[in-house]
Amino acid sequence: NAGVTQTPKFQVLKTGQSMTLQCAQDMNHNSMYWYRQDPGMGLRLIYYSASEGTTDKGEVPNGYNVSRLNKREFSLRLESAAPSQTSVYFCASSALPGQYSGYTFGSGTRLTVV
Amino acid sequence: SQQGEEDPQALSIQEGENATMNCSYKTSINNLQWYRQNSGRGLVHLILIRSNEREKHSGRLRVTLDTSKKSSSLLITASRAADTASYFCATDAGTNAGKSTFGDGTTLTVKP
Repeated sequence: NAGVTQTPKFQVLKTGQSMTLQCAQDMNHNSMYWYRQDPGMGLRLIYYSASEGTTDKGEVPNGYNVSRLNKREFSLRLESAAPSQTSVYFCASSALPGQYSGYTFGSGTRLTVV
Repeated sequence: SQQGEEDPQALSIQEGENATMNCSYKTSINNLQWYRQNSGRGLVHLILIRSNEREKHSGRLRVTLDTSKKSSSLLITASRAADTASYFCATDAGTNAGKSTFGDGTTLTVKP
């Protein structure tokens, strides 16, 4: 089924450890996004990639890095995890402006940093 | 900074009743979207309304947009227990088309 796939679904890290969250889409979308969602709140944009080869900071980029590996894949890296990064992380994709019809979301990665 | 803010934060109704939730925003927008999130799941896109549109329908969903008041409403008619979820509005301000800002959501509970 076409969509956005995130791995892993769950992860527990110790403070200071690093990890990479993977995201792949087969929607042939140009734009991809990483959001975090804290309990009882909406989504906050971490980084986005408007098209292959470009990445830009969102609202809460500190402590994260991203790589747009190709048109399909957009990864999020935590270099030194902190408890404040405990959250649910969502990857999303969308078509180009003019063809834009909203986001397609992955099912999320639930990350706990202890 | 929060662009879209939903109201109410929580809403509880009986099956068969209509549910209305509102979204207010601060700056001009290209479009506004509504999403549903079931507990522990990702967000699902429901409907997008562009700034030059005033009303859109999709099945039991009706969305209105009032750009003069910078507000939108989502009406779910004849609600079902399966409509229990959180509903979020998201606004695309157009400066980076496709980069949307989400509100904190309305949690809807539909009692059977």
